Amino acid sequence: QVQLQESGPGLVKPSETLSLTCTVSGGSISSYYWSWIRQPPGKGLEWIGYIYYSGSTNYNPSLKSRVTISVDTSKNQFSLKLSSVTAADTAVYYCARGVSVDYYYYYMDVWGKGTTVTVSS
Amino acid sequence: QSVLTQPPSVSGAPGQRVTISCTGSSSNIGAGYDVHWYQQLPGTAPKLLIYGNSNRPSGVPDRFSGSKSGTSASLAITGLQAEDEADYYCQSYDSSLSGSFYVFGTGTKVTVL
Repeated sequence: QVQLQESGPGLVKPSETLSLTCTVSGGSISSYYWSWIRQPPGKGLEWIGYIYYSGSTNYNPSLKSRVTISVDTSKNQFSLKLSSVTAADTAVYYCARGVSVDYYYYYMDVWGKGTTVTVSS
Repeated sequence: QSVLTQPPSVSGAPGQRVTISCTGSSSNIGAGYDVHWYQQLPGTAPKLLIYGNSNRPSGVPDRFSGSKSGTSASLAITGLQAEDEADYYCQSYDSSLSGSFYVFGTGTKVTVL
């Protein structure tokens, strides 16, 4: 079955760019949406954005100015870049596969285990 | 601050039935957008529990059921088991003046007494 694995630095300095990659195994990255979600320590879930395998994207308006999600179909990977990070960006970051019937109907059916990113100098 | 409000906690004895509410507004659930539910066991990633208001993915026990009415949705767990102790989140689509995107509820911790 499809599995997702996040990878990237666990520590990022304030004002720098957080970069994470999600590797999809056991299936193709084609024909699905691919999301990033984060969860600050002790808090709830926040949807960051998604990319369709063709490259179209959709971002959370509150993060849109700092977020870039890209896809590399040849490597079955998609990536997250979050710029100008602060301590408020410290969280567990999850990648997930999205299923969409239409623009408003979107859920995430396969999740990675998550990776912890701490923003600190 | 999420636009979907859930009770912080609910509890029940083994075998009992508990329900978790997810209260929204006319810009999300009340606008007809579907609701999905996730279960997050301690220290693990969320898992899809219900999609499209009331549909269970393969492998999810039929003890879990979902419904939607008006501006709210509910998740019910019947025959509560110790392994159901987890955090539960609803998720939907929200369209407001501040932007349109996918939102999660505030989350509910279920405790099995």
